[in-house]
Amino acid sequence: QVQLVESGGGSVKPGGSLRLSCAASGFTFSDYSISWIRQSPGKGLEWLSYITSSATTIHYADSVKGRFTISRDNAKNSLHLQMNSLRADDTAVYYCARHYSSSSRLDYWGQGTLVTVSS
Amino acid sequence: AIRMTQSPSSFSASTGDRVTITCRASQGISSYLAWYQQKPGTAPKLLIYAASTLQSGVPSRFGGSGSGTDFTLTISYLQSEDFATYYCQQYYSYPLTFGPGTKVDIK
Repeated sequence: QVQLVESGGGSVKPGGSLRLSCAASGFTFSDYSISWIRQSPGKGLEWLSYITSSATTIHYADSVKGRFTISRDNAKNSLHLQMNSLRADDTAVYYCARHYSSSSRLDYWGQGTLVTVSS
Repeated sequence: AIRMTQSPSSFSASTGDRVTITCRASQGISSYLAWYQQKPGTAPKLLIYAASTLQSGVPSRFGGSGSGTDFTLTISYLQSEDFATYYCQQYYSYPLTFGPGTKVDIK
């Protein structure tokens, strides 16, 4: 069965960095585009970044552009989000989610990993 | 960016009720709209895509309609497991955007 498992969350001070990972299984990872989405405590969903199957196209939300970098390793069935210059308002649960096809609906989501940015 | 709005933001309902949630896009998105259900402490779950197509495994009491800028999610006969927050999301263009959510709780 399709599984996405995020890891790498934790507590970090403002200005710090963190690298999230998303391990995929149960499907041919290299065939699918993936996005990162976050949810601040008690808030709604915010899309952050998108990467195509072969990493030829990448998009970012304005809120993270220049601070976050998405990447993938198809040989290891893994997706990453490098987060730099973290701020308090980056505190959220971070999800990776699979696009059914390029730029389409998000059909499978991971369980999320919590990132807390606090001094 | 395309702004998504939802109404109402929350409401109370009883099992067996028919409920309707509205989603509006700030510009036309054709039928590039999905609906997700989220329960506390869990990830969102895809219910409907292409505005009206039921995701595999989703009960037929869920239905979606609309195109362009105005969309609706209908639950024809609310069940206890349907008490949750519902989000619409456009995938017409980047940045992808979600509505603020509609929380359905027990009356």
